[in-house]
Amino acid sequence: ILNVEQSPQSLHVQEGDSTNFTCSFPSSNFYALHWYRWETAKSPEALFVMTLNGDEKKKGRISATLNTKEGYSYLYIKGSQPEDSATYLCAQYSSASKIIFGSGTRLSIRP
Amino acid sequence: EAGVAQSPRYKIIEKRQSVAFWCNPISGHATLYWYQQILGQGPKLLIQFQNNGVVDDSQLPKDRFSAERLKGVDSTLKIQPAKLEDSAVYLCASSPTGVLLLPGELFFGEGSRLTVL
Repeated sequence: ILNVEQSPQSLHVQEGDSTNFTCSFPSSNFYALHWYRWETAKSPEALFVMTLNGDEKKKGRISATLNTKEGYSYLYIKGSQPEDSATYLCAQYSSASKIIFGSGTRLSIRP
Repeated sequence: EAGVAQSPRYKIIEKRQSVAFWCNPISGHATLYWYQQILGQGPKLLIQFQNNGVVDDSQLPKDRFSAERLKGVDSTLKIQPAKLEDSAVYLCASSPTGVLLLPGELFFGEGSRLTVL
């Protein structure tokens, strides 16, 4: 993998259901991985910063895992709510000053 | 603490016209970034300033895009002349650190959405 890739590109989930999506990144020269939530007409908001292989982070109903050896991170949302509707971006820091963003996963929650 | 301010929030222009975007970073932040986010793609770095000097502008289309950061504070990004493919959200971000960006220390504005007709 040469770029940061996210899948799926978009996702429609029923309110109350749980969901997850993937960020894949080059495993070489890994420094850190960042997850952002970007709601329409707002600024991207930092969710998690992950640096160590095996890292697991949690914030309310949202959690993330990191596997630096195989180059992927999962974001999980438990019991989706309408306010979770947003684009979720991951960004790899390949060194302390270079950031590469994925194209995002657009999540829509159906009431 | 006030966040990164950007204006205008929305702009519609015709191709070949010019447009300028303004960014005011968080007070005291040394580093300022301009990103271009085209629909369906991730944000792409256009230019990075450290105080009022350019650190990286390798992906800035210099034939039509220009940016400056006077006095190391506010910044403007200009497109002249605009093309259809310039339709995008232009995000400004700032960081309190220097060129060595630490994870978790990148703060974004709400973006300026440009539509070129």
